[in-house]
Amino acid sequence: AQTVTQSQPEMSVQEAETVTLSCTYDTSENNYYLFWYKQPPSRQMILVIRQEAYKQQNATENRFSVNFQKAAKSFSLKISDSQLGDTAMYFCAFMKPSFGNEKLTFGTGTRLTIIP
Amino acid sequence: GAVVSQHPSRVICKSGTSVKIECRSLDFQATTMFWYRQFPKQSLMLMATSNEGSKATYEQGVEKDKFLINHASLTLSTLTVTSAHPEDSSFYICSLPGGLAIQTQYFGPGTRLLVL
Repeated sequence: AQTVTQSQPEMSVQEAETVTLSCTYDTSENNYYLFWYKQPPSRQMILVIRQEAYKQQNATENRFSVNFQKAAKSFSLKISDSQLGDTAMYFCAFMKPSFGNEKLTFGTGTRLTIIP
Repeated sequence: GAVVSQHPSRVICKSGTSVKIECRSLDFQATTMFWYRQFPKQSLMLMATSNEGSKATYEQGVEKDKFLINHASLTLSTLTVTSAHPEDSSFYICSLPGGLAIQTQYFGPGTRLLVL
């Protein structure tokens, strides 16, 4: 079974600064997907970024980027030029590829607060 | 991505009554849907996988007779909380798999259940 660990329950950073959220996971699989999801106060889950394990290049989406270290089983999220709208719960998640049955395993989450 | 709706968004009921929550895919046919439960300030926990035309697959520890799942069509899955008790109060979220080419999940906006 896969496990996902987020060791930072809460973080806060000044607006416009850069923040990094940590995530580690444990799996015996070689091919898998990793995700960062954002859950703002509305509680709607929003996909922030996705990483395919067989790709060495780190995924980026505008101000969001990841540092994927497969050997270390580490998957951190960097948010650059943080904005007030980034305030949310952030969940790291693991998925084993499947056809129509792609289960997600979530970490416990990090509550990020952007301070004006 | 797929658009997923849930109804109702919020429900309050008396202890002992049953509550039905609907999850609809508005633009995507889904043979599989997932149901999650999220307690306050906690992560999402997968409850069950809803399968169109067959029985749902429940995660370990989830009572099948308590949480009835019916996948009536390719666009609708329902979760019925039977004989609800205050400890069933939670946030329930459904999601759809993105498919083999996409390998992600699309989430509904969630349903907040309060049992008095």
